[in-house]
Amino acid sequence: GQQLNQSPQSMFIQEGEDVSMNCTSSSIFNTWLWYKQDPGEGPVLLIALYKAGELTSNGRLTAQFGITRKDSFLNISASIPSDVGIYFCAGVNAGGTSYGKLTFGQGTILTVHP
Amino acid sequence: GAVVSQHPSRVICKSGTSVKIECRSLDFQATTMFWYRQFPKQSLMLMATSNEGSKATYEQGVEKDKFLINHASLTLSTLTVTSAHPEDSSFYICSAPAIGTDTQYFGPGTRLTVL
Repeated sequence: GQQLNQSPQSMFIQEGEDVSMNCTSSSIFNTWLWYKQDPGEGPVLLIALYKAGELTSNGRLTAQFGITRKDSFLNISASIPSDVGIYFCAGVNAGGTSYGKLTFGQGTILTVHP
Repeated sequence: GAVVSQHPSRVICKSGTSVKIECRSLDFQATTMFWYRQFPKQSLMLMATSNEGSKATYEQGVEKDKFLINHASLTLSTLTVTSAHPEDSSFYICSAPAIGTDTQYFGPGTRLTVL
């Protein structure tokens, strides 16, 4: 099925560095969501974006909903070891038979070296 | 925040048996819940949409007779894997949006191992 194009696929960084990842789509979404998944756990919602152009922060996390509604980025500042995990972007389908369903990016695997 | 629980967290069963997985929204109601399957190091794959009071809708390629879904109330959906086989071994995750929103909250997942 449809997937968002999420990049990078993986990142290896030093503790304290900033991280940036992004998602692009050929389709428009009305809502963008960013999740973090730890091994053996379900995804945990980090940030939800509802308006084109919206910039939202949650602690060291900042995410923006692209003005075209076809892209979004997530930044993590001053990374710490517990930031390790897989980060997924997801767009919420707004209409038709796919209403309410999520379209996921492939995920970004983040490794933080102490 | 919105909390979704799943039970059991892990289950091991013999081939040919059936396994039921429960998904509950603990502090909100959900007329719709979603069931996903996830393979190692891959993204989540939507299996079906569970609708309270009506039949579930299944994604293409998902056998509805094998993966039975029942949305018994506004806080509970169940997924039953019938006549399980080793290839059904996977991580199953549910999600639910609170009524009136499209922000989905995920359960912690259920690891199914079929011997």
